[in-house]
Amino acid sequence: AQSVTQLDSQVPVFEEAPVELRCNYSSSVSVYLFWYVQYPNQGLQLLLKYLSGSTLVESINGFEAEFNKSQTSFHLRKPSVHISDTAEYFCAVREGGAQKLVFGQGTRLTINP
Amino acid sequence: GAGVSQSPSNKVTEKGKDVELRCDPISGHTALYWYRQSLGQGLEFLIYFQGNSAPDKSGLPSDRFSAERTGGSVSTLTIQRTQQEDSAVYLCASSLDGGRNTEAFFGQGTRLTVV
Repeated sequence: AQSVTQLDSQVPVFEEAPVELRCNYSSSVSVYLFWYVQYPNQGLQLLLKYLSGSTLVESINGFEAEFNKSQTSFHLRKPSVHISDTAEYFCAVREGGAQKLVFGQGTRLTINP
Repeated sequence: GAGVSQSPSNKVTEKGKDVELRCDPISGHTALYWYRQSLGQGLEFLIYFQGNSAPDKSGLPSDRFSAERTGGSVSTLTIQRTQQEDSAVYLCASSLDGGRNTEAFFGQGTRLTVV
């Protein structure tokens, strides 16, 4: 069965510092990977996704994630964070052929001025 | 509507009572999901509907939980004889179809508190 592990429940960083939110998954078949973001008092929304092709995917607000098959990871990174990036971030995986999204436990990103 | 709509947004109920949570998916979306979000627990998959296919109920935690989807649109999640451990935010999502690469759009959730 597939599972998703987000190693850090909370990540505090200073504004304009780089950040990496870690995500590892367990699956023996091909997978599709997603990062969702939940801003304070808002619903979840898709940040970026990996389906196939280039292993590096980017979002419109400067985040990127790299699919690493050998390490079964899909870490999320941003070179310089802003106060507005304060949110909870969820990694999710869907196995090829499966239809349900399995989510990690989430990482709360807090940006300090 | 423009997005996934859930009602009520908040529900406080007494232990032992039954509750119904409603989800209106985006018009035209054939796939619908229910998740439960508990503090520090991430999102727990509950049930998945796709068109007229039999739903995937593999995530329902007990037989007190059930869900229906009428006419391929609105869905209702019912929790019977609520317990305090049922307290959580219940999230509904819909997607255009059940394809692997289709994005799931989430509602704002229903915060259930069992006292």
